[in-house]
Amino acid sequence: TQLLEQSPQFLSIQEGENLTVYCNSSSVFSSLQWYRQEPGEGPVLLVTVVTGGEVKKLKRLTFQFGDARKDSSLHITAAQPGDTGLYLCAGDPDNDMRFGAGTRLTVKP
Amino acid sequence: DAGVTQSPTHLIKTRGQQVTLRCSPKSGHDTVSWYQQALGQGPQFIFQYYEEEERQRGNFPDRFSGHQFPNYSSELNVNALLLGDSALYLCASSLGAEQFFGPGTRLTVL
Repeated sequence: TQLLEQSPQFLSIQEGENLTVYCNSSSVFSSLQWYRQEPGEGPVLLVTVVTGGEVKKLKRLTFQFGDARKDSSLHITAAQPGDTGLYLCAGDPDNDMRFGAGTRLTVKP
Repeated sequence: DAGVTQSPTHLIKTRGQQVTLRCSPKSGHDTVSWYQQALGQGPQFIFQYYEEEERQRGNFPDRFSGHQFPNYSSELNVNALLLGDSALYLCASSLGAEQFFGPGTRLTVL
């Protein structure tokens, strides 16, 4: 069982649609990070959420940290083909970074 | 300013062999972490090096070892390769909390 469960595992949508992906755990995290990884590259940090209930916006991406700091969500508005990639959440519960298995997003033109 | 670089890009080995992967951190970064990413999975933490010492270790066998040099570059060594060691090996460097990942080394064990 993964410490961080991400859903859905795969998501294929049309350009212009909205979507939300989730990252859930039974453990409490001091912070959670979201990364995007493209084929042949390493993950790139998008955002770190620290405070329970925190909402951060990065252009068309909105990240939320759950009040209990056990879960997080990523909402993308008006998805574009350039958003295609593997979205990973990660946390550091015992001083070793743990990643979820990721949501593989495909945005079709 | 170069980011994190890794070499080689791709590598093919056979079972039982040994492999060494290399990582140069982002300029000014003193901490290097290594991850294994199997196909369709998220990265799994192997270990972290700081001041030439292994500071933390994930749930990986002793076949996985590493080293950090005075210039902060690092090597990951894997002995007695198994088919299951086939994966993308990622190096990440950091100075504070934020990690910057390299492009990875794709290791295939036949």
